[in-house]
Amino acid sequence: GQQLNQSPQSMFIQEGEDVSMNCTSSSIFNTWLWYKQEPGEGPVLLIALYKAGELTSNGRLTAQFGITRKDSFLNISASIPSDVGIYFCAGGTQGGSEKLVFGKGTKLTVNP
Amino acid sequence: GAVVSQHPSRVICKSGTSVKIECRSLDFQATTMFWYRQFPKQSLMLMATSNEGSKATYEQGVEKDKFLINHASLTLSTLTVTSAHPEDSSFYICSLPRGGGSEKLFFGSGTQLSVL
Repeated sequence: GQQLNQSPQSMFIQEGEDVSMNCTSSSIFNTWLWYKQEPGEGPVLLIALYKAGELTSNGRLTAQFGITRKDSFLNISASIPSDVGIYFCAGGTQGGSEKLVFGKGTKLTVNP
Repeated sequence: GAVVSQHPSRVICKSGTSVKIECRSLDFQATTMFWYRQFPKQSLMLMATSNEGSKATYEQGVEKDKFLINHASLTLSTLTVTSAHPEDSSFYICSLPRGGGSEKLFFGSGTQLSVL
């Protein structure tokens, strides 16, 4: 089946630093989404991408849909302690009522 | 505001009992909902697709008699873990597709099930 390779698995950074994480796949996706999950909570949608090459920002977050449609990255600028959590990428292939494939997550720790 | 409401947030039960988890769509009618399962430090694994007014569609390896799904109305889907065992202990999360083409998923807050 389809798989997403998300890296890095974990990151330990200082407050104020920029962060970059990415997802790659051997399969083509029509949508890429990035979620953040905090302990004991469901994932929260951060950014949704719909077109190859699309670059979208949400505050300090920026994500891009790769030209080949097989990859995506998420950048967080000027990290703050509340950025701590697990970030998941997800790829979708169906036109509607989306069944998503999730990456294994990147655990982010921000030291004040 | 919240799109999805999931209850309960935490359940502790004895082995052999059944547990029901509810997922409600708060502001629109959902013909489809998804149920995911997440083990500690793992990603989300799709268990089944809940379809309003018809049978749920289960992913390979998920026992439909073990995980009963009912989607009787356009705002409510329930997942019942029947005769729960310790290996069923996990974080269960429902989600709703939204967006113009239903391409985004919005998740409930999850239910942590612990079976003793």
